[in-house]
Amino acid sequence: DIQLTQSPSFLSASVGDRVTISCRASLGIDSYLAWYQQKPGKAPKLLIYAASTLQSGVPSRFSGSGSGTEFTLTISSLQPEDFATYYCQQLNSYSYTFGQGTKLEIK
Amino acid sequence: QVQLQESGPGLVKPSGTLSLTCAVSGGSISSGNWWTWVRQPPGKGLEWIGEISHSGSTNYKSSLKSRVTISIDKSKNQFSLELSSVTAADTAVYYCARFTGGNNAFDIWGQGTMVTVSS
Repeated sequence: DIQLTQSPSFLSASVGDRVTISCRASLGIDSYLAWYQQKPGKAPKLLIYAASTLQSGVPSRFSGSGSGTEFTLTISSLQPEDFATYYCQQLNSYSYTFGQGTKLEIK
Repeated sequence: QVQLQESGPGLVKPSGTLSLTCAVSGGSISSGNWWTWVRQPPGKGLEWIGEISHSGSTNYKSSLKSRVTISIDKSKNQFSLELSSVTAADTAVYYCARFTGGNNAFDIWGQGTMVTVSS
């Protein structure tokens, strides 16, 4: 299975900050990467698909980039509702693995 | 607006079979998407379990393949998960989700249901 490694695992930031989360794949996955946001007790929510396409209804402060093995999720100006855990997922091949998650906390 | 809702027992005995159903509302399960199951052990990350197409084709995570069956019931607009020979390691929140080929992502999720394996 393709492994996804996110960095950092924990991130402390303030409202208004620009933050970047990285996701590295163990093999090339073209642009078959999605990003999800999960809040405690809730299901994950799709933010970005195909590495850089914003899901309908998701604020434009979220953006994604990358292809092959290196990907990033950027939040341009953190809002209070953005503090959550973020996961990347590869959909290039089974078993559609997820990264281990990045928990974004308020500083 | 398509919505998904999981249902099933919240407690399963060790060595037993976990059975969950995902009801699809607001749209047809025969719409051409794939339908998936994902689980999340308490305090841990997400794990894909498997998927089924509207025509009944399935794919499973290799490490779970011997214990997993996903089926579809078009007449009831729902799909189901069975996981046999469960142990405490199968304790998790189980989510169903829609895999949209156009977006190539899991775009709609159920709220999740907690299943505990314990005697």
